[in-house]
Amino acid sequence: DAGVIQSPRHEVTEMGQEVTLRCKPISGHNSLFWYRQTMMRGLELLIYFNNNVPIDDSGMPEDRFSAKMPNASFSTLKIQPSEPRDSAVYFCASSLGRAFFGQGTRLTVV
Amino acid sequence: DQQVKQNSPSLSVQEGRISILNCDYTNSMFDYFLWYKKYPAEGPTFLISISSIKDKNEDGRFTVFLNKSAKHLSLHIVPSQPGDSAVYFCAASGLNTDKLIFGTGTRLQVFP
Repeated sequence: DAGVIQSPRHEVTEMGQEVTLRCKPISGHNSLFWYRQTMMRGLELLIYFNNNVPIDDSGMPEDRFSAKMPNASFSTLKIQPSEPRDSAVYFCASSLGRAFFGQGTRLTVV
Repeated sequence: DQQVKQNSPSLSVQEGRISILNCDYTNSMFDYFLWYKKYPAEGPTFLISISSIKDKNEDGRFTVFLNKSAKHLSLHIVPSQPGDSAVYFCAASGLNTDKLIFGTGTRLQVFP
């Protein structure tokens, strides 16, 4: 298996634009997580899906953030409109008992 | 509210010596604890874990200790090697859930 695949690896966008981050989890894993890494808060859990259903989205910072998992092999995290303070590295992870992370998307909002 | 805390943002250790990374948690419902290691431009990778029914788990140079009464765990690396230089994240989860709560990380630097 290629592991958790995230795209794009890097994204630079202007404030106010919509940003979509993508994730392909490891086949057979039933849980998927979106995390955001910042210096101040470390790895912050944004949302957690189990069997494609959002279980806990209490970490989603604002209504500007939304996440979907239409099937077991794909998830998106969308920010609309984006703001400079959203700049961070966003990680997707999938799990079947132990979490495996993708390489992350470094988002820069200017 | 940070449920998992790593109060030392950085640690510098000489090669061959012991590295001790600490982690505290506040939620008594956590029953499974993990350490992840992260290199620059890569995602975190699993290193070692411990269940709340144990107080120690060892894997080669890495040992994790759990003190439930103090809500504290630590990762010992001995002997430390330059390749161990990375950011180490402590994480915790509760019963019947895969949900992982991470700390803020400790950057370990092992120098020759």
